[in-house]
Amino acid sequence: TQLLEQSPQFLSIQEGENLTVYCNSSSVFSSLQWYRQEPGEGPVLLVTVVTGGEVKKLKRLTFQFGDARKDSSLHITAAQPGDTGLYLCAGRQTGTASKLTFGTGTRLQVTL
Amino acid sequence: ETGVTQTPRHLVMGMTNKKSLKCEQHLGHNAMYWYKQSAKKPLELMFVYNFKEQTENNSVPSRFSPECPNSSHLFLHLHTLQPEDSALYLCASSQGGGTGRGYTFGSGTRLTVV
Repeated sequence: TQLLEQSPQFLSIQEGENLTVYCNSSSVFSSLQWYRQEPGEGPVLLVTVVTGGEVKKLKRLTFQFGDARKDSSLHITAAQPGDTGLYLCAGRQTGTASKLTFGTGTRLQVTL
Repeated sequence: ETGVTQTPRHLVMGMTNKKSLKCEQHLGHNAMYWYKQSAKKPLELMFVYNFKEQTENNSVPSRFSPECPNSSHLFLHLHTLQPEDSALYLCASSQGGGTGRGYTFGSGTRLTVV
């Protein structure tokens, strides 16, 4: 079973700061997704990346898929308290139709 | 409203009890999943159903018994659980395979085994 390691595990920053979260694996993925989970709720899909080197932007969030499709990063510009939550990456291995493997998670807290 | 509804939201049960978790999706998806989320562990896939047929059982103990009567409903029957089974149980659905298919999750059932 491939493992998706996320770093850092915890991050506490002040409003307005920038941050980057990393998702790394030794396995190649056909696609990679990022989710955000708020307390008491299930994860919510933010983005899917499928092409090596692909960059996608969602307002202040920038997602990048590594050239070799083994890693990904999430960069948040000018973080806001509403960005607080658990960020999960999830990879779909080539040949598996539906199965997603989730990363270890990064818990982000943004304070005023 | 997420489109995937899980009940109950919270459940406390003794080790000798039998209970069931329910999941319902109104998105027309044909795949449904059970995941276990424990503190300090990644989300663990438990079961996968495609078009009502179980396609994956991730070495889950037999005290967890899934049931999928149709593509919209998924149950997880619980009996003789252990305290270490306490966790957030998440149901998800998706429109089958394909590289771009995301999951829609329910809000989960917070299970405490005493």
